[in-house]
Amino acid sequence: GAGVSQSPSNKVTEKGKDVELRCDPISGHTALYWYRQRLGQGLEFLIYFQGNSAPDKSGLPSDRFSAERTGESVSTLTIQRTQQEDSAVYLCASSLEGYTNTEAFFGQGTRLTVV
Amino acid sequence: GDSVTQMEGPVTLSEEAFLTINCTYTATGYPSLFWYVQYPGEGLQLLLKATKADDKGSNKGFEATYRKETTSFHLEKGSVQVSDSAVYFCALSDRRQTDKLIFGTGTRLQVFP
Repeated sequence: GAGVSQSPSNKVTEKGKDVELRCDPISGHTALYWYRQRLGQGLEFLIYFQGNSAPDKSGLPSDRFSAERTGESVSTLTIQRTQQEDSAVYLCASSLEGYTNTEAFFGQGTRLTVV
Repeated sequence: GDSVTQMEGPVTLSEEAFLTINCTYTATGYPSLFWYVQYPGEGLQLLLKATKADDKGSNKGFEATYRKETTSFHLEKGSVQVSDSAVYFCALSDRRQTDKLIFGTGTRLQVFP
């Protein structure tokens, strides 16, 4: 597609349920990132995929969070047993390489509300 | 660890006013610095960047200079327009940390005619 696509755009879930968030990066982009933005706060790094390298998972806040990426295409962020503090906008970005050399393109995000 | 601090908003200006949004950073290495912008209803977009000290990034009339001595990367524009109303994020990237971006909290700019 023309840009980074995320789905769903909005998700309301009950506390304790699992959710899956999807990101379709720009075709050909080897790098993919997930960020979280809580209300009134900056973007918080979650996880980074780069080609066939092992992902950098250092930003995942707990073992309830996991992410997968199939080759250089779609990525899924899964949150198990959701808690109210998980409510945030989850942003995905992709780039040809890492940020230093090439521009990262962001999707419009998934707004997750845990009730 | 590395961090970015930017001024809180909202910043409210009249059209054609001068804009400064302050950004300072803390980094152990030599990061690249970025400004991203988020217009209403749209995703984050790269506005400008600078990869080494004294570099000046510029785009759409906005400028920011990488100041290593003051660890700053302030965003400036000489004459803002209503269409510049958006949230602006300062960020840094350190290649020693696998290129992930570290963002500030964002500053909302509102420009009135």
